[in-house]
Amino acid sequence: GEDVEQSLFLSVREGDSSVINCTYTDSSSTYLYWYKQEPGAGLQLLTYIFSNMDMKQDQRLTVLLNKKDKHLSLRIADTQTGDSAIYFCAERSDYKLSFGAGTTVTVRA
Amino acid sequence: EAGVAQSPRYKIIEKRQSVAFWCNPISGHATLYWYQQILGQGPKLLIQFQNNGVVDDSQLPKDRFSAERLKGVDSTLKIQPAKLEDSAVYLCASSLGGVGETQYFGPGTRLLVL
Repeated sequence: GEDVEQSLFLSVREGDSSVINCTYTDSSSTYLYWYKQEPGAGLQLLTYIFSNMDMKQDQRLTVLLNKKDKHLSLRIADTQTGDSAIYFCAERSDYKLSFGAGTTVTVRA
Repeated sequence: EAGVAQSPRYKIIEKRQSVAFWCNPISGHATLYWYQQILGQGPKLLIQFQNNGVVDDSQLPKDRFSAERLKGVDSTLKIQPAKLEDSAVYLCASSLGGVGETQYFGPGTRLLVL
């Protein structure tokens, strides 16, 4: 199976941390990705993690992977108004990417 | 480096008409993908090319959709005839090639079928 599930909405106050969660079903996934999509734009790669890692940090972004539970999360520290967007989780098996439906993050002042 | 280019950015047509989208991948990227993103959903792969050969077109509705990448660089995706349910954003992506290569996306073509 290639189902990827995400919660649909997240509202966060500016300056707080955001945590976006994702679950996937394919245990053979090799890479897991987080993409950001702003209104009217394509998908921008934020970060990715290889399946044999459990954490990756890149500036304000922290990715946590629990391979046993097939759970992926993205933490954005010190969330800014420019972080308002739709965030997509994607898993890669062989050459195919399967995307979740996206989490709409709204940052309020 | 320049990103993935797509045109047009927007297109409005009536059902049963034909439409074509164009994609120019990142220079040197051997693999090219077309995705369909329906409003409120994640992108769904339609077709993948490796150079000018098709790797996977299992999700492409072949009765109305066609795609080509004749010289292994640019690609066109065509819909003929269009249906109302084809209204979506069509995203092109490219990668260097090979398993595990990261895909980079273009801005998409937003299609509205009336």
